Amino acid sequence: GNSVTQMEGPVTLSEEAFLTINCTYTATGYPSLFWYVQYPGEGLQLLLKATKADDKGSNKGFEATYRKETTSFHLEKGSVQVSDSAVYFCALRDNYGQNFVFGPGTRLSVLP
Amino acid sequence: NAGVTQTPKFRILKIGQSMTLQCAQDMNHNYMYWYRQDPGMGLKLIYYSVGAGITDKGEVPNGYNVSRSTTEDFPLRLELAAPSQTSVYFCASSGGLSGANVLTFGAGSRLTVL
Repeated sequence: GNSVTQMEGPVTLSEEAFLTINCTYTATGYPSLFWYVQYPGEGLQLLLKATKADDKGSNKGFEATYRKETTSFHLEKGSVQVSDSAVYFCALRDNYGQNFVFGPGTRLSVLP
Repeated sequence: NAGVTQTPKFRILKIGQSMTLQCAQDMNHNYMYWYRQDPGMGLKLIYYSVGAGITDKGEVPNGYNVSRSTTEDFPLRLELAAPSQTSVYFCASSGGLSGANVLTFGAGSRLTVL
């Protein structure tokens, strides 16, 4: 079946550091890929998405590129802020229905 | 535009009690979902619905029931609460022209069973 694997957390960075959170997936066909963010005490919010190979999703300084050859969708940000502290979830949606599969989440803490 | 609204936000139950978590969306989305999130874990799908009158089991349906009598509402019922059901529950929806291919989540309902 479909699955999503993320790097283990927590990740602790200093403000203005470079961020990478790795995500790889297993799926048949051509899934759509997503990053969701969960701030403390809140629900998940869509951060960015990509629907086909080589697409780059971007939002709020975050980027991720859909790499079909490596089945990856790594999240990057060039300079993190304290306000980026949250849990980040990688997810996929298969093209045969409306079912989404989530990774376990990676907790990011950014220190001033 | 309220999006996805969940009630209650917090609830404490005793073992064996029953309750219903309410979920409503005002985006005319066809698809609705219930997930649970355990501490330090990802989301697990409990039930989902592809439209009014149609529901199906997800990954962890035992101990729960759902109904979908209208497009807007998708309540989740716990019949005999157990400590293993202590979790944060999220309702989500997707569909429509602007919402296709993207999940919109509610703020969550934190349930504790003692």
